[in-house]
This record gives sequence, C-alpha cells and structure tokens, in this order.
Amino acid sequence: KNEVEQSPQNLTAQEGEFITINCSYSVGISALHWLQQHPGGGIVSLFMLSSGKKKHGRLIATINIQEKHSSLHITASHPRDSAVYICAVGGSNYKLTFGKGTLLTVNP
Amino acid sequence: NAGVTQTPKFQVLKTGQSMTLQCAQDMNHEYMSWYRQDPGMGLRLIHYSVGAGITDQGEVPNGYNVSRSTTEDFPLRLLSAAPSQTSVYFCASTLGTGNTEAFFGQGTRLTVV
Repeated sequence: KNEVEQSPQNLTAQEGEFITINCSYSVGISALHWLQQHPGGGIVSLFMLSSGKKKHGRLIATINIQEKHSSLHITASHPRDSAVYICAVGGSNYKLTFGKGTLLTVNP
Repeated sequence: NAGVTQTPKFQVLKTGQSMTLQCAQDMNHEYMSWYRQDPGMGLRLIHYSVGAGITDQGEVPNGYNVSRSTTEDFPLRLLSAAPSQTSVYFCASTLGTGNTEAFFGQGTRLTVV
C-alpha cells in the first residue's frame, strides 16, 4: 500500500465548477505539500500546511491531522487550472513522499 | 533569484552513453535531491544530499551517481545509460526538513534509445 494515496486519479470538469482533490496518508508527518505540474512543465509548490486551512486566490487547501487527510479545492475552475496536482508529505527528515498525482482537465 | 536551475531540458542518449544532468540553486539550501517521474508512478527519490560533501541513496539509485562539492550544485551522472532510464528527472532543494517549502527545477526529459 502506498504511503500517500490521491483520489481521483483523473478528473474532468467544466469551466466554473468547484473541484476537490483528496489526499490520504498513512505515516506521521510534519507537513503536507500540494504541488502543481502543467503538461510538459516543471513542478511548482502551491501550499505547504501542517494544520488547518490555507487559501491562495481560488485555491484552498485543508488538512485534518487526526484523520490523516487533506483536500485541495479549486473554486470557479478555469481551463488554465488543467494540470497534474501532486500531494507530498514530509517527515522529520528531509525526504518527501509523493502521491501519484491527479490529472485535472477543465473544459471551456 | 533564479531558484533551482536544471539543465538540459531535453536529451536523447544511446544505450551505453554517459551524461551529467546539472542542478544548481541559489537559495543556500542544505538539502538537494534528484527524483525521476514515470507514468503512473509518483516521483521516486534517486539520490539526495543534506549538505556539501554528504550524499546518500534514495529509493532507486542504481545506475546513477552524485556528488556535492558545493552547497549550490548537485549534478546527477548516468554512468551507462539504459532504456529503463528513460524518464523525466527533477532536481529539488529545500532549506531544511520536510516542513519547509520545496523548490523544483524545470525537469529534464531523457530518452535512451
């Protein structure tokens, strides 16, 4: 069983829809990271959180430490949000463990 | 502030050839790492370094070599390329442990024929 599980693997939405991507993990962590990767592109850090909720523009990330679960929400989705979203967890050492990613496609 | 600079962006190698993927960061980060990304799999750690002169193996180190002579640079060497090393490679750096932001290079798309 992978230490970091993401769902869904693929997600197709219409422009304007509210999007939720989920991440569950099975190990103790010091922080959880949400990353974005556009097709053929590099990886960009969206959020790093260890408790509660963070918001940046139309993106919101939440984490429930007791349930070992995090969600990434996108409000009023746009075609430019189409990308792979990756959840990663960091422990007390330097290493990150990654989920397999969620491919989001937002159609106009 | 350039962040993490990774070169080249694309590379095609013949089986048995060697090459070096370059990675440099200008943020004075102690921790640098190399990952490979393959379809249907999460990023997998190849090698990492917690400071100049210190390197260690990750999850998939076979066929790769690294060194860390300075804080800024962390090159990845493919000793004798194999088709199984066809992948997208990412270099990353962080200031400290797993609760600090990670910065990634733009990736290198490597094809071994």
